[in-house]
Amino acid sequence: EDQVTQSPEALRLQEGESSSLNCSYTVSGLRGLFWYRQDPGKGPEFLFTLYSAGEEKEKERLKATLTKKESFLHITAPKPEDSATYLCAVQATGGFKTIFGAGTRLFVKA
Amino acid sequence: DGGITQSPKYLFRKEGQNVTLSCEQNLNHDAMYWYRQDPGQGLRLIYYSQIVNDFQKGDIAEGYSVSREKKESFPLTVTSAQKNPTAFYLCASSPRDISYEQYFGPGTRLTVT
Repeated sequence: EDQVTQSPEALRLQEGESSSLNCSYTVSGLRGLFWYRQDPGKGPEFLFTLYSAGEEKEKERLKATLTKKESFLHITAPKPEDSATYLCAVQATGGFKTIFGAGTRLFVKA
Repeated sequence: DGGITQSPKYLFRKEGQNVTLSCEQNLNHDAMYWYRQDPGQGLRLIYYSQIVNDFQKGDIAEGYSVSREKKESFPLTVTSAQKNPTAFYLCASSPRDISYEQYFGPGTRLTVT
């Protein structure tokens, strides 16, 4: 069964303290892996799509990487405005669904 | 500005009443989706539509119904048959039915008492 697991469930950082969020996935074949940011009470905002192992994408303080079994979202020198829930999702080949993980809640303290 | 709108933002209903959630997009996307989000869980797919006048059930379609009469609109009806309807509902669209990222609306929080 296709599955996405994100860890940790919650992460508390001091401003400027870099860290990584993990997304482990199990699919028969990967069509694409997606990262979204979700603020409380709002809809998810698309961040990145990764298609193949070794691929990396960056946006401001965020960098997403992909291996055959997991993806990491690296946050460099985070600021309080980076506080949000980060969602990982995958699409498998031969299917129509996007499978979402439960998310990692990130808190960045000034 | 292009985007997805959902209305209302908050909705309160009594148990036993049907309620319809609105979703409109002006992105010219072919595919549209409805998800349900509960605390501590990933988004779960209720229904999706790849083209006008066609839609398919997702993982948790029981107690819900949809229509797709126009490309821009994909309303969701939560019926009295849905056992636990209180949740945050998200509508999304994508340019293709598969292989592309989805763009989400702001969500509707439904409370049924």
